Amino acid sequence: QQQVKQSPQSLIVQKGGISIINCAYENTAFDYFPWYQQFPGKGPALLIAIRPDVSEKKEGRFTISFNKSAKQFSLHIMDSQPGDSATYFCAASPNAGGTSYGKLTFGQGTILTVHP
Amino acid sequence: NAGVTQTPKFQVLKTGQSMTLQCAQDMNHEYMSWYRQDPGMGLRLIHYSVGAGITDQGEVPNGYNVSRSTTEDFPLRLLSAAPSQTSVYFCASSPDRGHGYTFGSGTRLTVV
Repeated sequence: QQQVKQSPQSLIVQKGGISIINCAYENTAFDYFPWYQQFPGKGPALLIAIRPDVSEKKEGRFTISFNKSAKQFSLHIMDSQPGDSATYFCAASPNAGGTSYGKLTFGQGTILTVHP
Repeated sequence: NAGVTQTPKFQVLKTGQSMTLQCAQDMNHEYMSWYRQDPGMGLRLIHYSVGAGITDQGEVPNGYNVSRSTTEDFPLRLLSAAPSQTSVYFCASSPDRGHGYTFGSGTRLTVV
């Protein structure tokens, strides 16, 4: 059962364009939503994260938009650059009791290619 | 350098062999996790820990064991390697749930 569904699987954008990656979740106990960036041969690195008490969070060219009622969140990369070419993962973790709050579930990933 | 250290970086095993993937962090993080990454499957959680002595199963725990005797170390044991366990394994740590996980550089495991 895939608890976090991510789309598209791959995305090609021209330099300067906007890259948009979407994620949807089912578990209403999720309350922490990070995005990770991974370059080939490296481990994922935290890019930006949001909690459901805000609808948008911006850090530089990266913005998370969050729609709690639709159980969806998205990553927008403004002015996309060739150096942004990487695999992007959304993720979610719950506020449930016990040890579940340590459990981070990832989406399937999106391979972003930014052409110069 | 502070961070998450995984060893080995590469490993080839024969079917049925056992081995331990090592993971150590020097940031005094309470949370640690093991993931496997396969093409098109994203990162799938194997086991995780929220502190020394506390572990729990993730999405794909079968064939793997973990223990957490210290805050720093979180080894992953493959009991009897199978070709289906060919994957890239990542260890990660976090100070708490509200902070992102820091990932190691991964172990590429091939089971023949």
